[in-house]
Amino acid sequence: NAGVTQTPKFRILKIGQSMTLQCTQDMNHNYMYWYRQDPGMGLKLIYYSVGAGITDKGEVPNGYNVSRSTTEDFPLRLELAAPSQTSVYFCASSYGAKPLGHSPLHFGNGTRLTVT
Amino acid sequence: AQTVTQSQPEMSVQEAETVTLSCTYDTSENNYYLFWYKQPPSRQMILVIRQEAYKQQNATENRFSVNFQKAAKSFSLKISDSQLGDTAMYFCAEGANSKLTFGKGITLSVRP
Repeated sequence: NAGVTQTPKFRILKIGQSMTLQCTQDMNHNYMYWYRQDPGMGLKLIYYSVGAGITDKGEVPNGYNVSRSTTEDFPLRLELAAPSQTSVYFCASSYGAKPLGHSPLHFGNGTRLTVT
Repeated sequence: AQTVTQSQPEMSVQEAETVTLSCTYDTSENNYYLFWYKQPPSRQMILVIRQEAYKQQNATENRFSVNFQKAAKSFSLKISDSQLGDTAMYFCAEGANSKLTFGKGITLSVRP
């Protein structure tokens, strides 16, 4: 199993450009997440999904969009990139049980995005 | 809303010694889990240990153990016999319902 795969690993965007961060998992996990990690700030939840066709906002959703058309894929879309979106982005998945600890998160290796 | 606080931004420890990383949390949930994740320079997020809130016994995983004080909402990580490979950022996290809330992290350096 590949686990959680994120592409690209690195990307530099100009202000106002758009892009999609790809995330796919092959573990048949129901729950998928997007986090961003800023220096000294920990990980903040952007969006999450508890199953195909269902998405919900996290703590910092502004400037982002997501979709979940299949169980495997959970892409994150930046429509108008801004310098404040410079960050490291992590995708994660879990089997899905409440509380979350019954099935811990599996993380991808992250995407480092710079907006200049 | 859940909050997780890691008040120490950095710590340093001599190889082979013991170090304790602090974490406090706040939650309105009765049923939740607590976690410590390690992030080495490779950026990979690695689960170190987890604790079920309804279990009084502290979790242990080899050299890693926790001190879980539910009433005080405290969840510290003890690393025994520190190794150079333990050098990393460590995040405390709390999981309730469908989401995980992270602290800001602490950078641990192990000195040879």
